[in-house]
Amino acid sequence: QLQLQESGPGLAKPSETLSLTCTVSGGSISSSSISYWGWIRQPPGKGLEWIGDIFHSGSTYYNPSLKSRVTVSVDTSKNQFSLNLNSVTAADTAVYYCASRQRGNSFDVWGQGTMLTVSS
Amino acid sequence: DIQMTQSPSAMSASVGDRVTITCRASQGISIYLAWFQQKPGKVPKRLIYAASSLQSGVPSRFSGSGSGTEFTLTISSLQPEDFATYYCLQHSSYPLTFGQGTKVEIK
Repeated sequence: QLQLQESGPGLAKPSETLSLTCTVSGGSISSSSISYWGWIRQPPGKGLEWIGDIFHSGSTYYNPSLKSRVTVSVDTSKNQFSLNLNSVTAADTAVYYCASRQRGNSFDVWGQGTMLTVSS
Repeated sequence: DIQMTQSPSAMSASVGDRVTITCRASQGISIYLAWFQQKPGKVPKRLIYAASSLQSGVPSRFSGSGSGTEFTLTISSLQPEDFATYYCLQHSSYPLTFGQGTKVEIK
């Protein structure tokens, strides 16, 4: 059974670059049957916001509102994918989820989420 | 970008009530729509995919309908464990977009 687990620093200072990692278990990140690996976030008390996807081939898709600051990448040797978000501000304080979906379908497997607080 | 307008944003209902939540897309998305349930402090859980297909393990009191621009999530008989926030998600085209959520509270 596919499982995802996020890891991250928990706390970042304004203007820093945030790096989060999602470790995949129970399946291969290179599998074409699980086509998209994605990141979603949720600020405290607010709704869900899609950040970006990476296709199993390596193609990336980003939310235009974050595109200039976001990079999603895959490390097949570690069966992980990562999110880099630069120049963070307090507005980036949120729970960050990684998730997977099959081609033509929505996110069906989610990680437990990792809270990131941006504060000086 | 495709905007997803969810209504109502909040509602009060009683156990046993029939509950209907609507999502309207700003342009046609065929059936590329899912519904999620989220309880406080928990991970979103997919209830419905492809607009009307019930996720395995989800009670049959949940159902989804619609295509194009109008979609509905229905809970036929609200149970105590159904009090939560519900979100729709369109995955027809990038950027993927969620509705703003519907909080279902106890009356």
